[in-house]
Amino acid sequence: NAGVTQTPKFQVLKTGQSMTLQCAQDMNHNSMYWYRQDPGMGLRLIYYSASEGTTDKGEVPNGYNVSRLNKREFSLRLESAAPSQTSVYFCASALSGHVSYEQYFGPGTRLTVT
Amino acid sequence: QKEVEQNSGPLSVPEGAIASLNCTYSDRGSQSFFWYRQYSGKSPELIMSIYSNGDKEDGRFTAQLNKASQYVSLLIRDSQPSDSATYLCAVKVTEYGNKLVFGAGTILRVKS
Repeated sequence: NAGVTQTPKFQVLKTGQSMTLQCAQDMNHNSMYWYRQDPGMGLRLIYYSASEGTTDKGEVPNGYNVSRLNKREFSLRLESAAPSQTSVYFCASALSGHVSYEQYFGPGTRLTVT
Repeated sequence: QKEVEQNSGPLSVPEGAIASLNCTYSDRGSQSFFWYRQYSGKSPELIMSIYSNGDKEDGRFTAQLNKASQYVSLLIRDSQPSDSATYLCAVKVTEYGNKLVFGAGTILRVKS
């Protein structure tokens, strides 16, 4: 099992450009999440999908959109990148509806917006 | 008041000592608690989960939960330099449904 995979690992964008971060999991989890992590700010939830076909905003959704393509895949799109979106982005998945609720993280995408 | 609080550290301990990491939370209804380890430049890795009061041991790691006092701690016995990392506490907060709330993390440095 690969667990949670993310592509790309690194990306440099210019202000105003768009891109999509891809995430996939092979653990048959039903919930998936997108976080950003900035120095001194900890992990902040951008969007999440409790189950296939549903998505909800997290703490910092502005400037982002998501698509839950199927049970395995959850993508994050930046429509018009801004320097404030320079960050490390992590995707995670969990088996919701289960008492444990453990989240497992992908390796991350380091995004720089110039 | 933040929902999940941790001392940012750094916490420095000598090799072989016990490292004690603490976390407090504000939601009395929380049922699920997690500790993640994050090495510099890497993603968070789940190392312990605990759901009931008391201690849970896994190798050199012991998680302790006290719901009445609303704190959860992580003890690392026989600390090694390879344990040097940031440790994140996460809590499943009842009102937030299928989401975890993360603390900002405690930096641990184990000196050889």
